[in-house]
Amino acid sequence: QQPVQSPQAVILREGEDAVINCSSSKALYSVHWYRQKHGEAPVFLMILLKGGEQKGHDKISASFNEKKQQSSLYLTASQLSYSGTYFCGTTGNQFYFGTGTSLTVIP
Amino acid sequence: GAVVSQHPSRVICKSGTSVKIECRSLDFQATTMFWYRQFPKQSLMLMATSNEGSKATYEQGVEKDKFLINHASLTLSTLTVTSAHPEDSSFYICSARDRGQLGQPQHFGDGTRLSIL
Repeated sequence: QQPVQSPQAVILREGEDAVINCSSSKALYSVHWYRQKHGEAPVFLMILLKGGEQKGHDKISASFNEKKQQSSLYLTASQLSYSGTYFCGTTGNQFYFGTGTSLTVIP
Repeated sequence: GAVVSQHPSRVICKSGTSVKIECRSLDFQATTMFWYRQFPKQSLMLMATSNEGSKATYEQGVEKDKFLINHASLTLSTLTVTSAHPEDSSFYICSARDRGQLGQPQHFGDGTRLSIL
């Protein structure tokens, strides 16, 4: 039931772009995206409620393809502060986190 | 904004001890709270869904008798790790959903780092 994310890990130089994908074997009612720094609680980034919805703030955006049961997170012009592990999360009666993507931004 | 308080933040204790972790929603009513466990470099794995006034729903593979969950009020859920052993050492984190707010983000506690010696 856990969504699968890809890639598992990515290393970027500052200013580069990245895409993180989240794929579920079950129907998605909504998709959440979180970022977690080591040893800390996850921090909410955004939620997408409808298929086809796209959202973004700052240089981080996401899309939700309900039919394909997929969501993607886009990070553009990455900053050092973007480093962390990114998780998608899917809701129904329970809330499951994806497998996670470790993102490291280097100078 | 909405805040979830989790206590304690860190516990170190001997094998065989039972440990209770509290999760409180401070400014909203949480009919549903979730408990997760995270091992190093792994994802947050859902252990159980805690529903106010009823029994918790445990995920497959999670021992109900070992991880006791009580959700006695709309603002408090507790997780008790009974007779903890070193393999139970992990990062435990709770989250809560505002009543009737299915489309809203989860609010997370800061987590509890449990170390069993």
